[in-house]
Amino acid sequence: SQQGEEDPQALSIQEGENATMNCSYKTSINNLQWYRQNSGRGLVHLILIRSNEREKHSGRLRVTLDTSKKSSSLLITASRAADTASYFCATGANSKLTFGKGITLSVRP
Amino acid sequence: DGGITQSPKYLFRKEGQNVTLSCEQNLNHDAMYWYRQDPGQGLRLIYYSQIVNDFQKGDIAEGYSVSREKKESFPLTVTSAQKNPTAFYLCATATDRGRWYNEQFFGPGTRLTVL
Repeated sequence: SQQGEEDPQALSIQEGENATMNCSYKTSINNLQWYRQNSGRGLVHLILIRSNEREKHSGRLRVTLDTSKKSSSLLITASRAADTASYFCATGANSKLTFGKGITLSVRP
Repeated sequence: DGGITQSPKYLFRKEGQNVTLSCEQNLNHDAMYWYRQDPGQGLRLIYYSQIVNDFQKGDIAEGYSVSREKKESFPLTVTSAQKNPTAFYLCATATDRGRWYNEQFFGPGTRLTVL
């Protein structure tokens, strides 16, 4: 069964704008991770946030986690055309990493 | 994708045939995983292994089999019992045996098409 559900399913923005993607989940987790997938390729790990953390930064990425609302957001600032990809959240719980269905981000040059 | 090799990149199979997908890693990671990705479905776990000569079923193991005879290798066989095998198959690895909700590293994938 899918644990994380991303929102929106698709997002189209102009280069330079910020992109915000959301993930909701249903049960308690140990951590939440975000991955990127370029078309036809494997996934690349972006960032991991543990259940006792509320915010984490990595370069142009900012991730927040609200365990009371069972939700997370991924913010990509100053987007670039190269950020065009699918983004997945994955929740670590019960000795399992479960992926959502993904968000398709298109960044227009 | 560095350190994880999947072959072939594209694979075509006739109905009723078994096929084996290769996954090799040189990252010295203990844990290895196989996922299936269908359009709009995200990733679903087929099998995983945390140590040599041991593996467990994931969420959709029916019609698949694996082996883990070496730490570096985790081949996946798609058998004729798998009713809808056309999909993109991803192999992944992770450190820390027994804590396999850590960061995972993915191979480039194999796209299997049943003719």
